[in-house]
Amino acid sequence: AQRVTQPEKLLSVFKGAPVELKCNYSYSGSPELFWYVQYSRQRLQLLLRHISRESIKGFTADLNKGETSFHLKKPFAQEEDSAMYYCALLNSGGSNYKLTFGKGTLLTVNP
Amino acid sequence: NAGVTQTPKFQVLKTGQSMTLQCAQDMNHNSMYWYRQDPGMGLRLIYYSASEGTTDKGEVPNGYNVSRLNKREFSLRLESAAPSQTSVYFCASSERGRATGGYTFGSGTRLTVV
Repeated sequence: AQRVTQPEKLLSVFKGAPVELKCNYSYSGSPELFWYVQYSRQRLQLLLRHISRESIKGFTADLNKGETSFHLKKPFAQEEDSAMYYCALLNSGGSNYKLTFGKGTLLTVNP
Repeated sequence: NAGVTQTPKFQVLKTGQSMTLQCAQDMNHNSMYWYRQDPGMGLRLIYYSASEGTTDKGEVPNGYNVSRLNKREFSLRLESAAPSQTSVYFCASSERGRATGGYTFGSGTRLTVV
């Protein structure tokens, strides 16, 4: 069964410090993974997807199939990065495509 | 371009009352979804509609019903609300197919059942 695990509920760092939000997945097929971000009381927004190999707001994430991980990284955290971050796995069952989300990590960047 | 619009934004219900959460998208997306968000539980899929005319259960469908009224609209109904249904409800839409996979979310409905 597909599963997304975000082991840290809370993560607190200081401004300018590196940050890594962990995500591990379990999926029998070829995974497609995403990171979503939710700023305080706002809607979820797509941050990045692994197939695009993009860097958004200084964040990057590399899919490691050997370790079944898709960790989100940023070398220098900013206060405006404080938010809830969700890792998500695209689950394709037949012709239906739906996302399975992890439980989220609340990132706090302190001044 | 509004994207995904949910109404209402807030609602308080008494146990046993019924209500319908409305969701509409203007992006011509085929697929629509309802999730609930609870502290420590992340987002859990309630129901989804892969295309107009189809609906399927997600992870936590009990106590809910849905209607895909047309391509734009996907409503979620609570027939007899219970305190356990106190949550934030998010509607989302997407194109079908692996090429994108990204969802566009609505701003959420904060529901309290007392």
